[in-house]
Amino acid sequence: DVKVTQSSRYLVKRTGEKVFLECVQDMDHENMFWYRQDPGLGLRLIYFSYDVKMKEKGDIPEGYSVSREKKERFSLILESASTNQTSMYLCASSPDVTSYEQYFGPGTRLTVT
Amino acid sequence: GQNIDQPTEMTATEGAIVQINCTYQTSGFNGLFWYQQHAGEAPTFLSYNVLDGLEEKGRFSSFLSRSKGYSYLLLKELQMKDSASYLCAVSDNFNKFYFGSGTKLNVKP
Repeated sequence: DVKVTQSSRYLVKRTGEKVFLECVQDMDHENMFWYRQDPGLGLRLIYFSYDVKMKEKGDIPEGYSVSREKKERFSLILESASTNQTSMYLCASSPDVTSYEQYFGPGTRLTVT
Repeated sequence: GQNIDQPTEMTATEGAIVQINCTYQTSGFNGLFWYQQHAGEAPTFLSYNVLDGLEEKGRFSSFLSRSKGYSYLLLKELQMKDSASYLCAVSDNFNKFYFGSGTKLNVKP
């Protein structure tokens, strides 16, 4: 079974802090994605990566950056956390650009106070 | 831009059939997907359509009409465990995925 893990299920940070959310997949997938999920807005793509050290902006990249130094790990960075970044963050991976199925991690519920 | 619409919430009875609709307007199209998400859990993949027509997988079927920008997910013989949110998503020509806000399905005894 594909396994996508995220570093924390729940996280509480203060405004202005730098926040790192880690995602690891164990199936040698090429593509990895970061989404945030908010009530009434669904899942919105923040960034995705189709290869090591490669990244593409999604719909809402502002206030976020990403890092992919190794194939299995994709990190989301909030440079200076703000209260409007309080959300559920979901990481996903898929085998390659031709694949249609994404495998999601359990999510990190981030609260910024 | 991308626009994906689906009803916010639906209620159905155990054993019945329910159809969840999804309409989309996207600048590119490379496939339509349905995911299931139970409360507090990660979404899991249900189905994929890239050509017009019906794809059947057990109790679940998904239909696509590309000319109408329309899809539906059909759930038969509803069970209590089918109570969940159902997410419609479209991928564009650049492998980006766009999700609707989800339809919360309540299955009642």
